[in-house]
Amino acid sequence: KAGVTQTPRYLIKTRGQQVTLSCSPISGHRSVSWYQQTPGQGLQFLFEYFSETQRNKGNFPGRFSGRQFSNSRSEMNVSTLELGDSALYLCASSSEGADTQYFGPGTRLTVL
Amino acid sequence: KQEVTQIPAALSVPEGENLVLNCSFTDSAIYNLQWFRQDPGKGLTSLLLIQSSQREQTSGRLNASLDKSSGRSTLYIAASQPGDSATYLCAVPNFGNEKLTFGTGTRLTIIP
Repeated sequence: KAGVTQTPRYLIKTRGQQVTLSCSPISGHRSVSWYQQTPGQGLQFLFEYFSETQRNKGNFPGRFSGRQFSNSRSEMNVSTLELGDSALYLCASSSEGADTQYFGPGTRLTVL
Repeated sequence: KQEVTQIPAALSVPEGENLVLNCSFTDSAIYNLQWFRQDPGKGLTSLLLIQSSQREQTSGRLNASLDKSSGRSTLYIAASQPGDSATYLCAVPNFGNEKLTFGTGTRLTIIP
């Protein structure tokens, strides 16, 4: 089975722009979670989607949004980028009722 | 609010030694704990997941233990190898609005 894939792997944007990141979960997994990793704050939970519905949300401003499609693929969007949004964005998927999460390689976002 | 701490933040040991990584959590009302490794600039790889009903979980040279009452988990690595060099993170599920709360990580370096 293919693992979790994330595209693109690297992105460079400037302040004020917006960005969309994509995540394809493991086949059959319906839950997709997004995390932000920075050197200062570590790994922080952004949100979780299950069957196209946002099920949980972390403590991030409304500039961070996401969605999930009927094939379980998920996208997250960050509008009006700030320098502090520079981070590694990780996506994880899990199957219904399972505790183990499987992570993708991440998208490295740099905001200049 | 759950807080997860990992001490030390960094550890260097000679190849072949056995070692223990520590993880502490403040809220013992957890139903599992997961250990991950992260190579530089990469995503997370799940190593072991311990259910709250278990005390230990083993995979190859890795052994993880969980003591809910004391709020502690340890990851034991036997006969360390240079390929074990990575950052090790523990994570617990949160009954609030977060999927996983991660520890700050221990950066392990195995010296050949």
